[in-house]
Amino acid sequence: DTEVTQTPKHLVMGMTNKKSLKCEQHMGHRAMYWYKQKAKKPPELMFVYSYEKLSINESVPSRFSPECPNSSLLNLHLHALQPEDSALYLCASSQDPYNEQFFGPGTRLTVL
Amino acid sequence: EDQVTQSPEALRLQEGESSSLNCSYTVSGLRGLFWYRQDPGKGPEFLFTLYSAGEEKEKERLKATLTKKESFLHITAPKPEDSATYLCAVQGYGQNFVFGPGTRLSVLP
Repeated sequence: DTEVTQTPKHLVMGMTNKKSLKCEQHMGHRAMYWYKQKAKKPPELMFVYSYEKLSINESVPSRFSPECPNSSLLNLHLHALQPEDSALYLCASSQDPYNEQFFGPGTRLTVL
Repeated sequence: EDQVTQSPEALRLQEGESSSLNCSYTVSGLRGLFWYRQDPGKGPEFLFTLYSAGEEKEKERLKATLTKKESFLHITAPKPEDSATYLCAVQGYGQNFVFGPGTRLSVLP
């Protein structure tokens, strides 16, 4: 089973809201990732968790806060977002940081 | 700094018309080169991993090859359902994936 699931599929939020994106995988992968993708652009890496520890933070604004409760789950907490944060947010996982990544279907986020 | 470029930016083919997509890269020590297919509004779908020059991988109508500076994705006798954006990514010893901008492929019936 090479499936990564993400919820919700769509999210609309105001700039003062607090919301969370969720990601889950049951492949026993030990690395998980959050990417942001704007229209007609490639995915941009936001965060990497390796063995449940945040190993890379690509200078993402503090209004995005990742959390890895266990090796199967990954959350992205959102607070005080800006309209320019509207994008497709993708979660991915890999067996370890040095293997191919498998992506979830994404959450389409719209910030009003 | 690791860099990836892809060409062409967009490609329109007639059904059955074979062609190749290019991915050129500069990386400080290649750990792996990855090809993905992405349909609009969906997450990228993993296709292939290539590790060393001379390596080839095949899956249905797709064949990926790798040299020291570039990779090609050959599409043989494409069908309309092959229409998608094809993304190439490299991973060097810096560990992060670096994605190219993608090639948008349209296959017309």
